[in-house]
Amino acid sequence: AQSVAQPEDQVNVAEGNPLTVKCTYSVSGNPYLFWYVQYPNRGLQFLLKYITGDNLVKGSYGFEAEFNKSQTSFHLKKPSALVSDSALYFCAVRSLTGRRALTFGSGTRLQVQP
Amino acid sequence: GAGVSQSPRYKVTKRGQDVALRCDPISGHVSLYWYRQALGQGPEFLTYFNYEAQQDKSGLPNDRFSAERPEGSISTLTIQRTEQRDSAMYRCASSIGDEAGYTFGSGTRLTVV
Repeated sequence: AQSVAQPEDQVNVAEGNPLTVKCTYSVSGNPYLFWYVQYPNRGLQFLLKYITGDNLVKGSYGFEAEFNKSQTSFHLKKPSALVSDSALYFCAVRSLTGRRALTFGSGTRLQVQP
Repeated sequence: GAGVSQSPRYKVTKRGQDVALRCDPISGHVSLYWYRQALGQGPEFLTYFNYEAQQDKSGLPNDRFSAERPEGSISTLTIQRTEQRDSAMYRCASSIGDEAGYTFGSGTRLTVV
């Protein structure tokens, strides 16, 4: 079975400071990892994905994520947070070769204070 | 179309009624997925189609839930004899291929009263 853990329900950060939203996963075989963002009353928007290659993946809106195989982690990062980054962030995983269904974490609410 | 379109946007129904939720994926997207998202939770997988074939329906909670995609494009998720616990946001996603990303629609908010 595959699973995702987002250990923090909420992350608070001051505008201009770096941010990290944590994600660890469990999957059989090689993982296919995603980050999505959800703004109030909006759909899920794709931020970035990792399949293979460089462990540091760059995505939309200045976000990046670091894949760490030994720690089974895929933390989302941004060097300088904006107030407009405040939203709900979801990490998701599926097996590259197995079941196609994405398994999502429970989400982390990011609050960026001005 | 430009994005994944879901209708209706909101649906309020009485307990015991049947509902049909529609998803119109991005043109040319082979794969189509249905998810359900409770308030404050991450989406949970329901079912998946490749073209018109339902490849995985392991996430459907019980036999009141069914889905079809008869021509490999538009899909309908049907819930029979709705119950209050079925209230949730139902999201559809489509993908052009196995290693492509998944594009989600805005969802249908179902409320069973």
